[in-house]
Amino acid sequence: EAGVAQSPRYKIIEKRQSVAFWCNPISGHATLYWYQQILGQGPKLLIQFQNNGVVDDSQLPKDRFSAERLKGVDSTLKIQPAKLEDSAVYLCASSLQGAPEKLFFGSGTQLSVL
Amino acid sequence: QKEVEQNSGPLSVPEGAIASLNCTYSDRGSQSFFWYRQYSGKSPELIMFIYSNGDKEDGRFTAQLNKASQYVSLLIRDSQPSDSATYLCAVKRVGGGYQKVTFGTGTKLQVIP
Repeated sequence: EAGVAQSPRYKIIEKRQSVAFWCNPISGHATLYWYQQILGQGPKLLIQFQNNGVVDDSQLPKDRFSAERLKGVDSTLKIQPAKLEDSAVYLCASSLQGAPEKLFFGSGTQLSVL
Repeated sequence: QKEVEQNSGPLSVPEGAIASLNCTYSDRGSQSFFWYRQYSGKSPELIMFIYSNGDKEDGRFTAQLNKASQYVSLLIRDSQPSDSATYLCAVKRVGGGYQKVTFGTGTKLQVIP
């Protein structure tokens, strides 16, 4: 079974630039999550999709972050414009509907904002 | 008060000893509790989950849950250097018609050979 795919693996940008991350969840997983993990902290949920609908984006900084999930499969997370404090690992995870405890994580994208 | 609290550590134990990792949570309506292991530079991976009060054992790992005290723990017996990682406690609750998983900040475990 293929895992959660994420790209790119690393990204370095300057502040005020824009960046986009891509995620392809495990086939058949209805729920998709984007987490932000700052060094030394636990993952913080940015947005949760159920199929292609958003069920929780309460911690997403909507003035600069946006996300979409096309046709209930792939998802893209965008930051525009980036700030220094956005430097973090962005983790995508997926799970079967009704079984959120079994989160399967992708390898993450490490973002450095200079 | 944070939803999920853990001591960030590091917790250092000698090889072969028992490592005890603790977690408290604030929402009494929380339903399920999980322990994820995260090696440096890697993504979290699920190692244990528990729903009911008491103990749940899986090999060298034992998860303990006390809902009255809102307390979850993970015991690692016969600790090995390969257990050195950050252990994340996560809690599931239902809110707004969907299920939400919240992570603690993690406890860094160092097993000394």
